[in-house]
Amino acid sequence: EVQVVESGGTLVKPGQSLRLSCTASGFTFADYAMSWFRQAPGKGLEWVGFIRSEAHGGGTAEYAAPVKGRFTISRDDSKSIAYLQMNSLKIEDTGVYYCTEGTYGYWGQGTLVTVSS
Amino acid sequence: IVMTQTPLSLSVTLGQPASISCKSSQSLLHSDGNTFLYWYLQKAGQSPQLLMYDVSRRFSGVPDRFTGSGSGTDFTLKISRVEAEDVGVYYCMQGIQLPTFGQGTKVEIK
Repeated sequence: EVQVVESGGTLVKPGQSLRLSCTASGFTFADYAMSWFRQAPGKGLEWVGFIRSEAHGGGTAEYAAPVKGRFTISRDDSKSIAYLQMNSLKIEDTGVYYCTEGTYGYWGQGTLVTVSS
Repeated sequence: IVMTQTPLSLSVTLGQPASISCKSSQSLLHSDGNTFLYWYLQKAGQSPQLLMYDVSRRFSGVPDRFTGSGSGTDFTLKISRVEAEDVGVYYCMQGIQLPTFGQGTKVEIK
């Protein structure tokens, strides 16, 4: 059974950093891209970024404009974990962060990030 | 790519059909022949769940009362007979370029 589980969300102050983890199981992690999405309170869904597999894209990543230059996605294929490193956090980064595998079919329960002074 | 859903809210009688439209600002048809259009349902307090991918393919476990159709830039999700468990917000998403979502359509029971 495919599962992805996000973790690491917490309350941080503006300007601080935070790293989220996405632990996957039930599929060959190294073969798939991994994506991050987010949802601000009461708002719609927003794509944050994704990281390609090493085999099908050299492990390169793409980012949405609001986070480019501040967020970095990485992966550890030996542990089946994708990471979202978030720097220079802003209040508007507050929300639930979800990860999915490359087909966008399996989502975790999400992890809440709150950026507030 | 801008995704535009209509209507933004829908009140439906149990057992009656429902339909949601999604239009993209560019064609979602890839040169490989696939059309990268997805439909999600997000129930209150839950993660989004994939209903349809590639316009009309039902994801695992999705009831056959859900049907996706369309091509190019115009797409539709239809529910043949709405059940209570279908309540929530429906989103379309394009995946041919960096993913973008429609605004969401809130479906409630009348």
